[in-house]
Amino acid sequence: DVKVTQSSRYLVKRTGEKVFLECVQDMDHENMFWYRQDPGLGLRLIYFSYDVKMKEKGDIPEGYSVSREKKERFSLILESASTNQTSMYLCASRALPNTGELFFGEGSRLTVL
Amino acid sequence: DQQVKQNSPSLSVQEGRISILNCDYTNSMFDYFLWYKKYPAEGPTFLISISSIKDKNEDGRFTVFLNKSAKHLSLHIVPSQPGDSAVYFCAARSGSQGNLIFGKGTKLSVKP
Repeated sequence: DVKVTQSSRYLVKRTGEKVFLECVQDMDHENMFWYRQDPGLGLRLIYFSYDVKMKEKGDIPEGYSVSREKKERFSLILESASTNQTSMYLCASRALPNTGELFFGEGSRLTVL
Repeated sequence: DQQVKQNSPSLSVQEGRISILNCDYTNSMFDYFLWYKKYPAEGPTFLISISSIKDKNEDGRFTVFLNKSAKHLSLHIVPSQPGDSAVYFCAARSGSQGNLIFGKGTKLSVKP
């Protein structure tokens, strides 16, 4: 079974803090993704990566950056957390060839005070 | 502009009856459609998919129907069970390199 592991299930941070959300997948998938989920807004794509060292902006990249130094690991960084970044963050991976199916982690619930 | 729309934020169904979740899309280039199920405090899990060359795909209690001319797909759950209570997301892909575009989700409540 594919396993996507997100390092923290729940985090509470203060405005202005730097936040790292880590994601590791164990199935050698090329593609990895970061989404945020908010009530009434569904899943919105923040950043994605097709391979190591590669990154592409999604629909809502402002206020975020990412790092993919190793194939299995994709990190989401909030340089200076703000209250409107309080959300559920979901990491996902995808194998090639692309069947469309994403494998999601359990999510990281971030609260910014 | 939303390319994938789930117009019903919520749906309540009695246990044993049929649940029908609907999804509309605007992009005629979408070639693959998926449904995901999400419980609170968990990540979404893949449920069922359908290619644009088909009009129906069935997996146990779950059936997805695709009407390309209407740009509409639906997920049928028969019979519905309380454990099906979750948020269901419709998603669509355009081409083999395309990322998934998600709808906003429909919260299904199945009452015993």
